[in-house]
Amino acid sequence: SQQGEEDPQALSIQEGENATMNCSYKTSINNLQWYRQNSGRGLVHLILIRSNEREKHSGRLRVTLDTSKKSSSLLITASRAADTASYFCATGVTYNTDKLIFGTGTRLQVFP
Amino acid sequence: EAGVAQSPRYKIIEKRQSVAFWCNPISGHATLYWYQQILGQGPKLLIQFQNNGVVDDSQLPKDRFSAERLKGVDSTLKIQPAKLEDSAVYLCASSLKGEQFFGPGTRLTVL
Repeated sequence: SQQGEEDPQALSIQEGENATMNCSYKTSINNLQWYRQNSGRGLVHLILIRSNEREKHSGRLRVTLDTSKKSSSLLITASRAADTASYFCATGVTYNTDKLIFGTGTRLQVFP
Repeated sequence: EAGVAQSPRYKIIEKRQSVAFWCNPISGHATLYWYQQILGQGPKLLIQFQNNGVVDDSQLPKDRFSAERLKGVDSTLKIQPAKLEDSAVYLCASSLKGEQFFGPGTRLTVL
């Protein structure tokens, strides 16, 4: 079963704009990770945020985590056409720290 | 550093036939995973190995799916017999310190 649900399911923006994707999950987590998937490079890890962290940055990526609301958001700033991909949140469960449960994904299209 | 290798990349079979997928993880990664990704959905974990032992196979349809990792390195996933609903991409991943590294996947089409 899928733990997380992403919102929106699909997002279309112009290059240079920011893209925000949200993820909600159901159970207690150890960490939350974001992955990107496109046809060229497959599924690639982007960033990991632990349950005791509230915000994390990596380049043009900013992730927030609100464990009280069981939600996370991924912000991509100054988007590029190369950011076109599907983005998945994945939760690391507390009973098995190596296990991830993936969400349903957001399909991002960035137009040049 | 070489990534996770999978073969074949594509496979087309008829229902009730059997099929096997192979995965070679990144050297030194003790944890190996097999996922099923149906079109339009996120990956679903089928089985997780730690070295050659099974950690989690709660979502593996054991009546038709089997997997092994005999020497704690390479792994094979088998489906026998295949059903139409098994059409999906089968992803193998290995992990170190929480981050999972994925292979390119095998796209299975069951006719």
